[in-house]
Parts: sequence; structure tokens; C-alpha cells
Amino acid sequence: SYELTQPPSVSVSPGQTASITCSGDKLGDKYACWYQQKPGQSPVLVIYQNSKRPSGIPERFSGSNSGNTATLTVSGTQAMDEADYYCQVWDSSTDWVFGGGTKLTVL
Amino acid sequence: EVQLLESGGGQVQPGGSQRLSCAASGFTFSSYAMSWVRQAPGKGLEWVSAISASGGDTYYADSVKGRFTVSRDNSKNTLYLQMNSLRVEDTAVYYCTKEGPQPPDYFDYWGQGTLVTVSS
Repeated sequence: SYELTQPPSVSVSPGQTASITCSGDKLGDKYACWYQQKPGQSPVLVIYQNSKRPSGIPERFSGSNSGNTATLTVSGTQAMDEADYYCQVWDSSTDWVFGGGTKLTVL
Repeated sequence: EVQLLESGGGQVQPGGSQRLSCAASGFTFSSYAMSWVRQAPGKGLEWVSAISASGGDTYYADSVKGRFTVSRDNSKNTLYLQMNSLRVEDTAVYYCTKEGPQPPDYFDYWGQGTLVTVSS
């Protein structure tokens, strides 16, 4: 079965850049997407097809995917960006799979 | 505006059944695949089941295969999840999600979720 691995936590200072990684076998051959989930709320799509932003998502959110790693980058991080972030791909062996999630803390 | 409104959650005993519904509005429901995703308390997201736009194709996670059944009524813009033989480990918030335009695809809209608690 296909698995995605994320670091449990990432910390960043306000105004700095945060990078959250997602690792999986030949992940770069697939389309990765990212969701943001704040406490008590439903997930929100922030990046799809590796690097595209849905309407309404700030430009400070960007994504890339190559080799075995997809990366979500938050530039100029704000306090409101503090949340859990999940990567997701579709794989023919397991259908949709999520990473374990990364808690982004803005210190 | 896309809206997905789940209902049907609640407390059920192990071995029991529950049926979840998701009322969709704000888009052409019959044109999009839909999925159910769950989140156990304090845990991450887990995809549960998916159904094609027409309803002719269904997909399940191994953890629920044979126990859960996904269906849809395109005339009522409603998605369903019939859950049988429920286990304690099925306790979670269940989210209804809409897929993007080219399935298998990302989930571009999520409902508010409905909590299912399996406990004696």
C-alpha cells in the first residue's frame, strides 16, 4: 500500500518562511495536494495539482513536487496560518491516501 | 456557493448500523464524483469511500470494505453512507467531500462533518 510521511510539527517565526514536506515513493510522478485544517474546522484545500492555488487562497501559499518529496511553502507566515496541514495523493493501489499531518506553529 | 451538509451522526452500539446523508447544493451534483473522509478524535484524515458522478462505480478503503456502502441520489442531490457492523474504531467525524473536475482528483469542498460515536 502507498504511504505518505510528514513531520509531526514545524515551527516558524512570524514573517518567515515555513516549509512542510511530504514523502512517498516516486511521489513526483503523482499529483499532490494540500489541505489546511484549523481547530474545530473542516479541512480547506490550499494547493492542488502540486502547485496550483484555489481561488481565495493567499499567494503566500505555494507548492512543489519532485522526486520523492512534495513541499508546501508558506512565505511571510502569519499567525492565522497556524494549523494542521495534510498532503494527499491518489494511488492506484490504495486510492486516496493522506499524510499523517503536520502541525504548523507560528511562534 | 457550494454547500455540503451532512446529517445522521450520533451514538451507536458496536455491531450496530448508521446511515449518513450529505445534501449538496450550489453545483451540478450529478457531474461530480464524491467521497467520504473521516477523522478520529485527535487523529489525522482517512479516506473512507468514493462514488463516481453517475453512481456506477464505488470505491472503499480496506478498513471499511464489506461493511460500508456508498450511494447517491442525483435527483435529490444527496450522497449517502450506510455503515453496518460498526466498530469502536469507526468513531470519527465523517466529512462529505466534492471531487475536482477530473477524477480521481483532489477534494475541493468539504462539509462541516457529522460525528459518529460507536460505544456501548
